[in-house]
Amino acid sequence: DQQVKQNSPSLSVQEGRISILNCDYTNSMFDYFLWYKKYPAEGPTFLISISSIKDKNEDGRFTVFLNKSAKHLSLHIVPSQPGDSAVYFCAASRQFTGNQFYFGTGTSLTVIP
Amino acid sequence: DVKVTQSSRYLVKRTGEKVFLECVQDMDHENMFWYRQDPGLGLRLIYFSYDVKMKEKGDIPEGYSVSREKKERFSLILESASTNQTSMYLCASSFRTMGQPQHFGDGTRLSIL
Repeated sequence: DQQVKQNSPSLSVQEGRISILNCDYTNSMFDYFLWYKKYPAEGPTFLISISSIKDKNEDGRFTVFLNKSAKHLSLHIVPSQPGDSAVYFCAASRQFTGNQFYFGTGTSLTVIP
Repeated sequence: DVKVTQSSRYLVKRTGEKVFLECVQDMDHENMFWYRQDPGLGLRLIYFSYDVKMKEKGDIPEGYSVSREKKERFSLILESASTNQTSMYLCASSFRTMGQPQHFGDGTRLSIL
């Protein structure tokens, strides 16, 4: 059973606009969340994380929002750039179990120049 | 910079063969992980290890085994390869400290004929 879901397989956005990628989870015990970015023929690279004690974390053009009551997190990219075109995975874990993460199925983002 | 190196980028094997996938990390990470990535299914955890000679089953361990004889090296073994094990295999490592992201290798594209 998929505990972390990304319901949009793909997303297209114009360069300079905002990209919003969404992720839902079912396990209320998850308390640490990450986003990864993956280019073709490369491994995923860590992008940004958020702990459940926060509802927002920002790093440059990337902001992650966490809504614990809705079990929903989102990644905002502003402004979007062509180099942001990649597959984005969200992941969740229960920290006391160490670093075992559950991954979503990914959203393929295309930023159109 | 963290370096996770997987021994092969592409591998072609035959049904019934015993297959070894090797992974080495250079950051003295305690945790190491093996995932497979399939279209529409995201990253699924096969096995992980918290320490030398320790291993834990992930979500899809059937048909696989692992070996961790040294801290920096984690091997995935397909005991008798089958066509449904054709996939992208990703190795990752992290510190044991809670809230640490995993760092991934570039993956091995394995085809079983």
